Amino acid sequence: AQSVTQLGSHVSVSEGALVLLRCNYSSSVPPYLFWYVQYPNQGLQLLLKYTSAATLVKGINGFEAEFKKSETSFHLTKPSAHMSDAAEYFCAVRNTGFQKLVFGTGTRLLVSP
Amino acid sequence: DAGITQSPRHKVTETGTPVTLRCHQTENHRYMYWYRQDPGHGLRLIHYSYGVKDTDKGEVSDGYSVSRSKTEDFLLTLESATSSQTSVYFCAGGFAGEAGHEQYFGPGTRLTVT
Repeated sequence: AQSVTQLGSHVSVSEGALVLLRCNYSSSVPPYLFWYVQYPNQGLQLLLKYTSAATLVKGINGFEAEFKKSETSFHLTKPSAHMSDAAEYFCAVRNTGFQKLVFGTGTRLLVSP
Repeated sequence: DAGITQSPRHKVTETGTPVTLRCHQTENHRYMYWYRQDPGHGLRLIHYSYGVKDTDKGEVSDGYSVSRSKTEDFLLTLESATSSQTSVYFCAGGFAGEAGHEQYFGPGTRLTVT
């Protein structure tokens, strides 16, 4: 079975600082990987996805993620944090055999002025 | 995604009562999913559907059932609600195909079982 591990349930950064949210995956076959964002009291919104077309994936709101097979990682980054980036972020992997996603436990990003 | 709505958005119910949550979509998603979200667990799949009247269990299906009598609606029923089912429930939809297959989420239903 495929799985993802998100390191750090909370990450705190200052406004303007680099954002780095970590995700490692486990998969016996090439995976599809996703990052979702959840703002308070809302559903999940897709930030970006990796589908093997390119290892560096750019998403919405200035976020990007790089697929590194050798490290089994798909970390999410943003060069300069904004207050509006404060939210919870979920990494997900597409399960084998069917159209199901497996989610990580989430990382809450806190942005201070 | 405005194409997926959930009702009710909030519900408080008593232990032992049946509860039905509704998910309605206007995007012609073939696949539909019910998740629950709990602190420290992320999202866990309860049940999913791969077509009208075609459903299957997810990882936390005990105590839940689903039905899908038409493409637009996917119902989640808690047969006899327990306090452990207090959670936020999300419905999601997805299209068929191999191109990544992201899912599109509704706004959620906050259920409290007292």
